[in-house]
Amino acid sequence: SAVISQKPSRDICQRGTSLTIQCQVDSQVTMMFWYRQQPGQSLTLIATANQGSEATYESGFVIDKFPISRPNLTFSTLTVSNMSPEDSSIYLCSVPGTGTPDYGYTFGSGTRLTVV
Amino acid sequence: DAKTTQPPSMDCAEGRAANLPCNHSTISGNEYVYWYRQIHSQGPQYIIHGLKNNETNEMASLIITEDRKSSTLILPHATLRDTAVYYCIVPASAGGTSYGKLTFGQGTILTVHP
Repeated sequence: SAVISQKPSRDICQRGTSLTIQCQVDSQVTMMFWYRQQPGQSLTLIATANQGSEATYESGFVIDKFPISRPNLTFSTLTVSNMSPEDSSIYLCSVPGTGTPDYGYTFGSGTRLTVV
Repeated sequence: DAKTTQPPSMDCAEGRAANLPCNHSTISGNEYVYWYRQIHSQGPQYIIHGLKNNETNEMASLIITEDRKSSTLILPHATLRDTAVYYCIVPASAGGTSYGKLTFGQGTILTVHP
């Protein structure tokens, strides 16, 4: 299965600023996913990032707030823009399994964001 | 994704088998059942998946009922390190290869105690 390196692992940010989270995968993958996990909650999908096309956002998430880049098949970034305390969450990237049968999705270790 | 239902929490004694149930009554014929777990402060980790036959790997066993409307994840000898949130997910799939997004429910919080 793929190995994902996600950075930063945690950060404390001032409200009104932006933070860019990076995910590097050790293999080429077509689809990457970005999730948010609010305190005490399950994971919620933010968007799907395909290389070479605009990201597809889920209901309740917009590109102006969470711009995503996908410059190649091994890398993606998620920016949390104009942050407020409500954005304090863990943000995770994920890629689907490869091969048949696959061995599930692989997740990054997460970025724990605290907005003060 | 087919909707899944899991109990919110379960307890298990260390060394005993942990049996985690999941209902997925709306599952389609070609959809697989996947199990993931999330240990505190870590990203979710794949455990096992299956279509209709029972499956076993080094981590767990998966028992799927004949009508495929429910399944049970079995950790045969639970340890304290198995304390985690366990998610049962039925993602859109094709031919045994998952694709598309995963929809996470609230999962089951498994607490393994000494």
